[in-house]
Amino acid sequence: EAGVAQSPRYKIIEKRQSVAFWCNPISGHATLYWYQQILGQGPKLLIQFQNNGVVDDSQLPKDRFSAERLKGVDSTLKIQPAKLEDSAVYLCASSLDLGGGRGETQYFGPGTRLLVL
Amino acid sequence: GNSVTQMEGPVTLSEEAFLTINCTYTATGYPSLFWYVQYPGEGLQLLLKATKADDKGSNKGFEATYRKETTSFHLEKGSVQVSDSAVYFCALRGGDGGFKTIFGAGTRLFVKA
Repeated sequence: EAGVAQSPRYKIIEKRQSVAFWCNPISGHATLYWYQQILGQGPKLLIQFQNNGVVDDSQLPKDRFSAERLKGVDSTLKIQPAKLEDSAVYLCASSLDLGGGRGETQYFGPGTRLLVL
Repeated sequence: GNSVTQMEGPVTLSEEAFLTINCTYTATGYPSLFWYVQYPGEGLQLLLKATKADDKGSNKGFEATYRKETTSFHLEKGSVQVSDSAVYFCALRGGDGGFKTIFGAGTRLFVKA
């Protein structure tokens, strides 16, 4: 079974530029998550989709970050404009979420490492 | 709100030593508890989980018991190997946090041959 795919793996940009990340979840997984992992910290949830709809985006900096999940499959996360403090690893994860909710296992992609100069 | 606190690393052990990584949580309701592991150069992967009080999760020789009375979910392994060197994250989901997963800061483990 193919895992969660993410691209690019690495990105270096200058502050105030824009950047986009792509995620393809495991086939059949209804829920998709984007996390931000700053060096030395645990992942922090940015946004959670259930199929096409947003379940939680309370920690997404909406003035600069946006995300979409078209047709309930692939997703993109965009930062515009980027700031120095956005340097982090951006992780995508997916889960089946067959109504089990809180006990569901999340499967993570390899992440995209972003460096903002 | 929900939170997870885990012991700071790095933890350095010799091969075959006993491992404990402490994890405590704050949550209302009945969250599920998880340990995820991140091996060098790889993504996070689930190590084990427990969904209710007194449950014991186990995998690859690692164990953790959901202790509601002490709000803890400590990770243990009787005999570590060099291949266990990784970063370990304690996490919770549910309770008053809905379906949002809250991660601890991670504990880096080094195992020497």
